[in-house]
Amino acid sequence: AQSVSQHNHHVILSEAASLELGCNYSYGGTVNLFWYVQYPGQHLQLLLKYFSGDPLVKGIKGFEAEFIKSKFSFNLRKPSVQWSDTAEYFCAVNAGGTSYGKLTFGQGTILTVHP
Amino acid sequence: DTGVSQDPRHKITKRGQNVTFRCDPISEHNRLYWYRQTLGQGPEFLTYFQNEAQLEKSRLLSDRFSAERPKGSFSTLEIQRTEQGDSAMYLCASSILQGRSTYGYTFGSGTRLTVV
Repeated sequence: AQSVSQHNHHVILSEAASLELGCNYSYGGTVNLFWYVQYPGQHLQLLLKYFSGDPLVKGIKGFEAEFIKSKFSFNLRKPSVQWSDTAEYFCAVNAGGTSYGKLTFGQGTILTVHP
Repeated sequence: DTGVSQDPRHKITKRGQNVTFRCDPISEHNRLYWYRQTLGQGPEFLTYFQNEAQLEKSRLLSDRFSAERPKGSFSTLEIQRTEQGDSAMYLCASSILQGRSTYGYTFGSGTRLTVV
């Protein structure tokens, strides 16, 4: 069974600092990878996804993630965070080839950005 | 609003009561999923429908839980004889299968259940 691990439970940054959130998964086969964001009081929204091709994926709001197959990792990055990035971030994996798109999520990382 | 709708947004119930939640997916989406999220955790998969067929249920879905998707449109999730451990956010998501790929995976805002 696949599993997802997010290294940091809570990250606190000042505006303009760089961000990197770690995500590792355990699954030996082909995977589809996702980062979701949940702003306070809102539903989960897709930030970016990787299915195949270029392992450096760009998403919305200046976020990007790099898939490193040898490390089973899919870390999320942003060069300069804003106060509005305060939210909870979830990494998720779907076993590639699984016909129905079930997602397995990590436990989430809360990001707090101070102005 | 063309997103995934869930009703109610909040539900407080006494232990032992039955509750039912509703999810209206995006109209053209043929796949529908239920997840449960507890505080400090990511969403956990509960069950999945393709059209009206329930194709997988997680071990998390005890026999007190039942889900339906009549006619392949909206879905209901019922919890019988609720327990305090059922307190969680119940999330619905929908997507569309085109060929062998999944597109448009969209979550609803969830139903927060509190069992007292």
